[in-house]
Amino acid sequence: AQSVSQHNHHVILSEAASLELGCNYSYGGTVNLFWYVQYPGQHLQLLLKYFSGDPLVKGIKGFEAEFIKSKFSFNLRKPSVQWSDTAEYFCAVNSGGGADGLTFGKGTHLIIQP
Amino acid sequence: DAEITQSPRHKITETGRQVTLACHQTWNHNNMFWYRQDLGHGLRLIHYSYGVQDTNKGEVSDGYSVSRSNTEDLPLTLESAASSQTSVYFCASSELRRGKLFFGEGSRLTVL
Repeated sequence: AQSVSQHNHHVILSEAASLELGCNYSYGGTVNLFWYVQYPGQHLQLLLKYFSGDPLVKGIKGFEAEFIKSKFSFNLRKPSVQWSDTAEYFCAVNSGGGADGLTFGKGTHLIIQP
Repeated sequence: DAEITQSPRHKITETGRQVTLACHQTWNHNNMFWYRQDLGHGLRLIHYSYGVQDTNKGEVSDGYSVSRSNTEDLPLTLESAASSQTSVYFCASSELRRGKLFFGEGSRLTVL
């Protein structure tokens, strides 16, 4: 079974700092990769996704992620965070066959201090 | 606008009671999913369905059941609620099996 590891459970940054959240997955075949965000009191929303093509994908709100196949990684980045980026971030993966829904990481709680 | 709605949004129940959480989507998606979200575990898949009359067990299906009698609804039933099932439950749907998930707003269940 595939698994997803998010290295940082809690991250605290100041506004304008750069952000990188780590995500590694275990599945060795073709994968589809996602980052979801959950703002306080809200449901999950898709930030960005990778299916194929350019390994550097850009999402909403200035976020981007890079798929590095050799490292089984899909790290999320943002050059300059804002207070409004305070949220829970989830990395998720499913196999290229699409079976069994998505497997989520345990999440990273990001707090941005003004 | 198409949407996915869950009800109730909050429920408190007692151990041993049967509880059903409703999920209704208006996108006409074939694929629907139930996740639970717990601190330290992230989201874990409970059950999912790829179409009417199709249901499949996920990672943490014990104590839960689903039925899919139409495209729009995937109710989640706890036959005999346990305190370990206190959690926030999210329903989701997608057009493609591996596509973007659209999530409901969650149902917070407390089992006393």
